[in-house]
Amino acid sequence: GAGVSQTPSNKVTEKGKYVELRCDPISGHTALYWYRQSLGQGPEFLIYFQGTGAADDSGLPNDRFFAVRPEGSVSTLKIQRTERGDSAVYLCASSFGPSYEQYFGPGTRLTVT
Amino acid sequence: GQQLNQSPQSMFIQEGEDVSMNCTSSSIFNTWLWYKQEPGEGPVLLIALYKAGELTSNGRLTAQFGITRKDSFLNISASIPSDVGIYFCAGPRRGNDMRFGAGTRLTVKP
Repeated sequence: GAGVSQTPSNKVTEKGKYVELRCDPISGHTALYWYRQSLGQGPEFLIYFQGTGAADDSGLPNDRFFAVRPEGSVSTLKIQRTERGDSAVYLCASSFGPSYEQYFGPGTRLTVT
Repeated sequence: GQQLNQSPQSMFIQEGEDVSMNCTSSSIFNTWLWYKQEPGEGPVLLIALYKAGELTSNGRLTAQFGITRKDSFLNISASIPSDVGIYFCAGPRRGNDMRFGAGTRLTVKP
C-alpha cells in the first residue's frame, strides 16, 4: 500500500537512553506532522514540517525532543535521555500541502522502562 | 486553552441502532474534523466541516458544524459491528496545530 509507514512499530528502551522513530509519508505529500498519543487520550500535536523545514515546533514538550526531515520526505523524531513519562504512541501524519485533512500512520508504541 | 470535550466517553449499543455523539469547546473553531481510530491503527479522517451550520454526510455518517462554532455533532445511522472504534473530534488551534478531544469509545453488540 502507499500509506504512511512508521518504524519500528514497537520500541522498548531503558530510562536515559536515546531513541529514533522514523516516518515515511505518502509519496508526494509535502507536509508532515508528528503527534503523541497517551493511553485514553486523543493525539497531541508535536511538530509540523512543510518541506524540509519545521514550520511549527510549538508542541515539542522540551529540548529532549527533536525532529528532522532533511530531504523533505522521510522524517525522524529523536528523543534524548528518555523518561518513563515519554511512554506513548507516537503518530506521524502527512498531507498534500498544509491541510487539516491528514493521513495518519499506524504509530510507534514507545515504552520507557 | 482550546480544549475539546467529547461526550459520551463511551457507548454500548445494539447493532442497527443509531448513534449520536458530540464535541464542545469554550473557544471558537473555524474547522471541525471527525476521525475514527481502531486498535493498533492511526486515526482515519471521516468527515471535515468548514462552515458554521454545515451538515455533511459520508455514507451512514452525518456530521454538523454548530452555528456557534463551538460545537459539532456526529451521527451514525443503523450501526454495524465494524463501526466499533474510538471517534475523535479535532480542530486546528492555529495553523496546522490540530487539537483532539479525548474520544468517544463505541462498542456495537451484534
